[in-house]
Amino acid sequence: EVQLVESGGGLVQPGGSLRLSCAVSGFTFSDHYMDWVRQAPGKGLEWVGRTRNKANSYTTEYAASVKGRFTISRDDSKNSLYLQMNSLETEDTAVYYCARDFGPRGGTYYFDYWGQGTLVTVSS
Amino acid sequence: DIQLTQSPSFLSASVGDRVTITCRASQGISSYLAWYQQKPGKGPKLLIYAASTLQSGVPSRFSGSGSGTEFTLTISSLQPEDFATYYCQQLSSYPLTFGGGTKVEIK
Repeated sequence: EVQLVESGGGLVQPGGSLRLSCAVSGFTFSDHYMDWVRQAPGKGLEWVGRTRNKANSYTTEYAASVKGRFTISRDDSKNSLYLQMNSLETEDTAVYYCARDFGPRGGTYYFDYWGQGTLVTVSS
Repeated sequence: DIQLTQSPSFLSASVGDRVTITCRASQGISSYLAWYQQKPGKGPKLLIYAASTLQSGVPSRFSGSGSGTEFTLTISSLQPEDFATYYCQQLSSYPLTFGGGTKVEIK
């Protein structure tokens, strides 16, 4: 059974840092691209960023709103995905989800499994 | 960035109703579109990918269509477990973007 479990959320002051983790099981993690998506309270979904797999040199993509502040990494030996968040702003308050990509299908990758999310609250 | 506009943002329907949700892209995205269902407190669930391909395990009452800039998600006969919020997502270019969501509630 595919499982993705996020952890590391909590309350942090503006300007602070936090590192989220996503522990996966039930599939060969190293084969897959992975993404982070967030959802502010009562709002819609916002893509945060993506890491490709080893075959694609672990390259990353980011949303403009987090580029330069957030860093996505992975440890294939630990079946874990990470999101290092620095210089946090109140607008970063959200539930953060990790998602597994599958594909390519017709030339792109889709998100087929999601975790349950971890809440990050940025407040003084 | 590619903007996705979903309509309606809210709809009230009864069990057994046929429901259609529209997603319009601000520029052409071929068929690089997915639909998700989200229930309160849960991560989204993939329903449709590549605009019209039903994800494994998803009931056949869900279907997707469209290409280019206009897409639809149809639920042929609404069931009690379908009351949720639905999102479209484009995967044509970065940044990947989502529509604003459509909340389907019980009439």
